[in-house]
Amino acid sequence: SQTIHQWPATLVQPVGSPLSLECTVEGTSNPNLYWYRQAAGRGLQLLFYSVGIGQISSEVPQNLSASRPQDRQFILSSKKLLLSDSGFYLCAWTPGTLVPYEQYFGPGTRLTVT
Amino acid sequence: GQQVMQIPQYQHVQEGEDFTTYCNSSTTLSNIQWYKQRPGGHPVFLIQLVKSGEVKKQKRLTFQFGEAKKNSSLHITATQTTDVGTYFCAGPLDSNYQLIWGAGTKLIIKP
Repeated sequence: SQTIHQWPATLVQPVGSPLSLECTVEGTSNPNLYWYRQAAGRGLQLLFYSVGIGQISSEVPQNLSASRPQDRQFILSSKKLLLSDSGFYLCAWTPGTLVPYEQYFGPGTRLTVT
Repeated sequence: GQQVMQIPQYQHVQEGEDFTTYCNSSTTLSNIQWYKQRPGGHPVFLIQLVKSGEVKKQKRLTFQFGEAKKNSSLHITATQTTDVGTYFCAGPLDSNYQLIWGAGTKLIIKP
């Protein structure tokens, strides 16, 4: 069966510090991968998605970036965090087909920028 | 652009009362998906509806997809404390691999 891992679970970082969040999927190959951010009590904001190694589509211009160095690994980064980057970061995967199947989410990372 | 509107934003119910959330898309959808997010947790897929007029049930949950495939609803009969959370609908964005998400409806059980 497929599983998705995210770490760390929680993170407190000062403004201006770098960020690296990692997501890995097991038990499948060539998944579509997604990074979402959720502000407290709000809906899901799609940040990036990837349909293959090295292929990243950005939905929201900001100081975040994403990379997919391996088929089942998706990384979210920032060089300098802003207060507004605080939130709940969720990674999700779906089978790599043209039909958007249901998305499976990781446990998420709660980021607080102080 | 394509939008999915979901109402209400919150619904407070007494335990045992019913709950309904509605989802409306600006365009026809090939399918619609429903997710549940428990407090402090991550969204979990509940169900996908594909056919016009489709109705699916999961125990006390009833999901409907409109005839025009532009609206959907989730109805919970006789809510229980385990139903607490936020319910999201989502539909595929035309021409790529994204989902368009509703803003969610938070189910709150009154003490």
